Amino acid sequence: GAGVSQSPRYKVAKRGQDVALRCDPISGHVSLFWYQQALGQGPEFLTYFQNEAQLDKSGLPSDRFFAERPEGSVSTLKIQRTQQEDSAVYLCASSLIHGPYEQYFGPGTRLTVT
Amino acid sequence: RKEVEQDPGPFNVPEGATVAFNCTYSNSASQSFFWYRQDCRKEPKLLMSVYSSGNEDGRFTAQLNRASQYISLLIRDSKLSDSATYLCVVNRRGNMLTFGGGTRLMVKP
Repeated sequence: GAGVSQSPRYKVAKRGQDVALRCDPISGHVSLFWYQQALGQGPEFLTYFQNEAQLDKSGLPSDRFFAERPEGSVSTLKIQRTQQEDSAVYLCASSLIHGPYEQYFGPGTRLTVT
Repeated sequence: RKEVEQDPGPFNVPEGATVAFNCTYSNSASQSFFWYRQDCRKEPKLLMSVYSSGNEDGRFTAQLNRASQYISLLIRDSKLSDSATYLCVVNRRGNMLTFGGGTRLMVKP
């Protein structure tokens, strides 16, 4: 079946622009996660949804980052007034149920802020 | 200090070699442990969960030492296709996974 999809795959933004990154999780997956992966580093947790409820946003680096999942399926990560340090790969993952179970990752969106 | 620490490598080994990676975690409240594999410019994928009693999946063996707070991954009879970055992953609370920085493995012919 279809895996997690993300769009766009690549995004170049000028410093100060707003960007929106989309994630389509695997159908029926309750849990959805966003991670940020800098070059040469492991993914860093940003935020977690269970259905439409955002249960943990402790990893969001600043109030310029905002995520939503209004209908409990597709999620959008928005970054306002992008800065160069926001350049990274943004990974979305989903899992079937709540708990420390296997997370299935999408291919990521590579964001470059110039 | 990072919550999950790994030697970044790279580990360069010939085909057929046995190679071992270690990882340490700082939070004793950590509950679940995993190894993920990430190929260059690809997404991470679960390789195996790590259980207290140790577990094996084909050529791969994972061990957990809760007292010393370290996790290991052993790969026997390395294949060219094993070349990747291996991410040590710890679950501390709820669904949140904490990733190490990864260990890069290069298997050479």
